[in-house]
Parts: sequence; C-alpha cells; structure tokens
Amino acid sequence: SQTIHQWPATLVQPVGSPLSLECTVEGTSNPNLYWYRQAAGRGLQLLFYSVGIGQISSEVPQNLSASRPQDRQFILSSKKLLLSDSGFYLCAWRPSGRYNEQFFGPGTRLTVL
Amino acid sequence: SQQGEEDPQALSIQEGENATMNCSYKTSINNLQWYRQNSGRGLVHLILIRSNEREKHSGRLRVTLDTSKKSSSLLITASRAADTASYFCATDASNEKLTFGTGTRLTIIP
Repeated sequence: SQTIHQWPATLVQPVGSPLSLECTVEGTSNPNLYWYRQAAGRGLQLLFYSVGIGQISSEVPQNLSASRPQDRQFILSSKKLLLSDSGFYLCAWRPSGRYNEQFFGPGTRLTVL
Repeated sequence: SQQGEEDPQALSIQEGENATMNCSYKTSINNLQWYRQNSGRGLVHLILIRSNEREKHSGRLRVTLDTSKKSSSLLITASRAADTASYFCATDASNEKLTFGTGTRLTIIP
C-alpha cells in the first residue's frame, strides 16, 4: 500500500532563517506531487505541483521554492523566511491520470518568529 | 484563486440530524471531490463525483452535482459526534491539480 511521509511535524524558525520541508511517498511510482499552505481556519492554497522529476509548476509568486530530486521526493525550501510564511504546510500525492483522489500527508506546522 | 466556495462557513447541529454543505465553482470541471479534515491533520478523501454524474452515495454520504448551476452538495445523514471536522470541496479541471474551496466547519453537538 502507498504511504506518504512528511516531516517535521512542527517547526519554529526565526525570521530570515532557511527552510527545508521534505515529503516522500512509498508504494507508488511517478506520482503527481503537491505542496499546499493552509492559514488558520482557512482553505488550502496550492503552492507548487510536480508531474515528474525536475518538473515544478509554481502557482503563486512567493518566498518559497520547490524541488523534486527523486521520483517520490518533494522538497519545499526558502532561503530566508518571512513572518507571512507561517502556516500549516501539507504535502499530497495523486496517481497520474483522470478521476483520481489526492492523498495527504500529516502536515507541518511552521511558526516564524 | 479559490475555485470553490463552500456554504455555510460554519454549521452546528445536534447529533442524529442531517448536515448539508454546498459548494459552488466557476469553470468547467472533469470531476468534483469532497474531503474531510480533522483539526490539525491532513485531509482525507471522502467521495468523487464525475461531471457526467448527478448523484453519488457512500455510506452516510450523499453528493449531488449540478453542472448547469456549477454547484454541488454534500449531505451527511444521521450525524455523529465523530463527524465534527472541516469539509472541503475540490474541483478538477485539468487532471493535474485540484482547486480547493474555503471549507465548512461542521460541529456535531452530542
């Protein structure tokens, strides 16, 4: 069966520090991968998605970047965090093709102070 | 931008009652999906309805889709305290990505 791992679960970082959040998927190949951010009590904002190794689509201009160095690995990064980067970050994967659901990781709560 | 907008934003009902949530969207879609999120957790897929379907059932869940009105509804029958969560609709227009709505926060009062 497929599983998705996301770490760390919580993170407190000072403004201006770098960020690296990692997401890995097991039990599937060539998944579509996604990074979302969720503000408190709000909906999900799609940040990046990838349909293959090295292929990254950015949905909103921001202080973050994403990379997919391996088929089942998706990394969210920042060189210098801003206060506005605080939020709940969710990684998800989806089989390629039509009529497929997404499977979400447990999320990372990021607080930038 | 958010494609889907859920209505109401928050809903509180007594245990045993039915809960209905609505979702409106703006563009043509291939399918629409509903997800559930417990506080501080990831989302869990509930049900998917294709654009050529009008109604779908899964256990206590009933989803309808009206593509002419660009709207969908999620009905949870005989609600339980464990149904307390946020519910999101998500539209799929491209087969690559989903666009999520703003969510309905459902509270079931025991």
